[in-house]
Amino acid sequence: AQKITQTQPGMFVQEKEAVTLDCTYDTSDQSYGLFWYKQPSSGEMIFLIYQGSYDEQNATEGRYSLNFQKARKSANLVISASQLGDSAMYFCAMRRTLYSGAGSYQLTFGKGTKLSVIP
Amino acid sequence: DSGVTQTPKHLITATGQRVTLRCSPRSGDLSVYWYQQSLDQGLQFLIQYYNGEERAKGNILERFSAQQFPDLHSELNLSSLELGDSALYFCASSVDRAGTQYFGPGTRLLVL
Repeated sequence: AQKITQTQPGMFVQEKEAVTLDCTYDTSDQSYGLFWYKQPSSGEMIFLIYQGSYDEQNATEGRYSLNFQKARKSANLVISASQLGDSAMYFCAMRRTLYSGAGSYQLTFGKGTKLSVIP
Repeated sequence: DSGVTQTPKHLITATGQRVTLRCSPRSGDLSVYWYQQSLDQGLQFLIQYYNGEERAKGNILERFSAQQFPDLHSELNLSSLELGDSALYFCASSVDRAGTQYFGPGTRLLVL
């Protein structure tokens, strides 16, 4: 079974500063994918970034980067130059990949971290 | 905008009733997932369809059912509704069984 742990229920960051949201995971699969989603107060789930377990480079998407440490089973999200619009819930999620064999590919989510950006 | 559409956006109904939530995946996506988000359970996977066939079931109650039609849109049917079914229901789609999932805006269900 897969499990995602996000230990920070809430975080504050000053506008224009960088912030790291923690995520640790547990899985017995050798091949898996890690995702971060953003959920603003309006409720939609917005895909931010993806990291494959065999990817050698840390994923980056604009101001978002994923600090992937496979041995420590962590996949922290780093947001650089925070903006007021970054205030939202952030969810870390895991999914097995096709190379893990037959089975389903649903996402397993953590409980989320609420990020508040202070002007 | 993810390209995934869900209707209705809000639904208020009474206990014991039945409702149908509708989802249209992104153009070209064959796989549809349904998730439930509630305060106490968080985000939970309900069911997955791929090209019209059920592929996986998660924590889906027997009172709930779903299907994916030939045009790839999907419907989630919730019956004998209880207060605890009040939640935000998301549909997500991906191009194949294991691709990145893009979520719709959700349907917020309130059971009174």
